Amino acid sequence: SYVLTQPPSVSVAPGQTATMTCGGNDIGTKSVHWYQQRPGQAPLLVVYDDDDRPSGIPERFSGSNSGKTATLTISRVEAGDEAAYFCQVWETSNDHFVFGSGTTVTVL
Amino acid sequence: EVQLVESGGGLGRPGGSMRLSCVASGLNFNTYWMAWVRQSPGKGLEWVANIKEDGSDQFYLDSVKGRFIISRDNAKNSLHLHMSNLRVEDTALYYCASVDCAQTSCPLDHWGPGTLVTVSS
Repeated sequence: SYVLTQPPSVSVAPGQTATMTCGGNDIGTKSVHWYQQRPGQAPLLVVYDDDDRPSGIPERFSGSNSGKTATLTISRVEAGDEAAYFCQVWETSNDHFVFGSGTTVTVL
Repeated sequence: EVQLVESGGGLGRPGGSMRLSCVASGLNFNTYWMAWVRQSPGKGLEWVANIKEDGSDQFYLDSVKGRFIISRDNAKNSLHLHMSNLRVEDTALYYCASVDCAQTSCPLDHWGPGTLVTVSS
């Protein structure tokens, strides 16, 4: 089965840029989605199809995907961005959805 | 505003059964794939099952295949998950989510608050 690898944690100071990765075999050939999950809340879609944002998501959230790594970048980080972030792809060979293990972003 | 509300969680016994439901509002339910995703306490997200718009096809996580059945009633804007032969490792918060297949690769665009399933003897 397809595996997505994320670093467990990232720390960033307010106003700085947070970057987190999602690694997978030939992930650059797939469309990657990213979800934010604040403590005690349901996940929220923040980036879909590698680099698109749903309405209402700030432009500070951006994504990219190439080769073996997809990346979520949060610019001008705010305290409210403190959350777990999960990447996800659709494994079309068996129509299974696959999530990464998640990266917890801590705002210092 | 899209709302998804799950119900049916609670305490189940190993080997027992439980039925989860999700009622949707604010979206054209019969044009959306739907999914169940679970999250064990303190852990990450795990996709459980998908169902196509018309219910014609379903897909399952290997560890629940043969034990769980996903179904939907488009007339009632509702999604269900019938869980049987429950295992302790099925303990999790179960989320209902809509799947936007109008986009390239079907992101889960709306989520309910979840319903907690605890399997214990």
